[in-house]
Amino acid sequence: ILNVEQSPQSLHVQEGDSTNFTCSFPSSNFYALHWYRWETAKSPEALFVMTLNGDEKKKGRISATLNTKEGYSYLYIKGSQPEDSATYLCASLLSGGYQKVTFGTGTKLQVIP
Amino acid sequence: NAGVMQNPRHLVRRRGQEARLRCSPMKGHSHVYWYRQLPEEGLKFMVYLQKENIIDESGMPKERFSAEFPKEGPSILRIQQVVRGDSAAYFCASSDQSGSMVEQYFGPGTRLTVT
Repeated sequence: ILNVEQSPQSLHVQEGDSTNFTCSFPSSNFYALHWYRWETAKSPEALFVMTLNGDEKKKGRISATLNTKEGYSYLYIKGSQPEDSATYLCASLLSGGYQKVTFGTGTKLQVIP
Repeated sequence: NAGVMQNPRHLVRRRGQEARLRCSPMKGHSHVYWYRQLPEEGLKFMVYLQKENIIDESGMPKERFSAEFPKEGPSILRIQQVVRGDSAAYFCASSDQSGSMVEQYFGPGTRLTVT
């Protein structure tokens, strides 16, 4: 994998359903992975910063895991709510790249009440 | 503590004109990053600046685009002789230091439309 890829591109779930989506990134020279939440008409907002293989982070109903050896991260949302509707972006940093981040194109989540 | 400010929020320019986009980082932040989002595409890194220094401009087109972050005042992204393909949302972000664990705080973006 040369670029940061996210799947699916978009997702519709019913309120109360749990969901997850994937971020794939180059595993060589990996340094860090960031997840952002981007609501329409607002700025991207940082959710998690992850660096260690096997790391798991949690914030309320949202959690993320990281596998740096195979180059993927999952974002999970438990019991989706309409206010979770947003685009979820992941971004990878490579070693030696200080703060130069490469963003995926995002997964657009729509939670239907 | 005000967040990252960008102005203008919307900018319309005719082909051939110049566009100046301003970004005021969060108070205490000395690192600024510019990103561009083309229609139907994700955020693309353009340039990373610290006060008075360009650290990495590898994502910025070599012609017509320039960026600065002076000792005083906002960071400015300047696009000369704009073309229709420059129409995009331009976001800046700031941080208080560099490093893999440092979060970037984003501004609301400037939507540039070239007519």
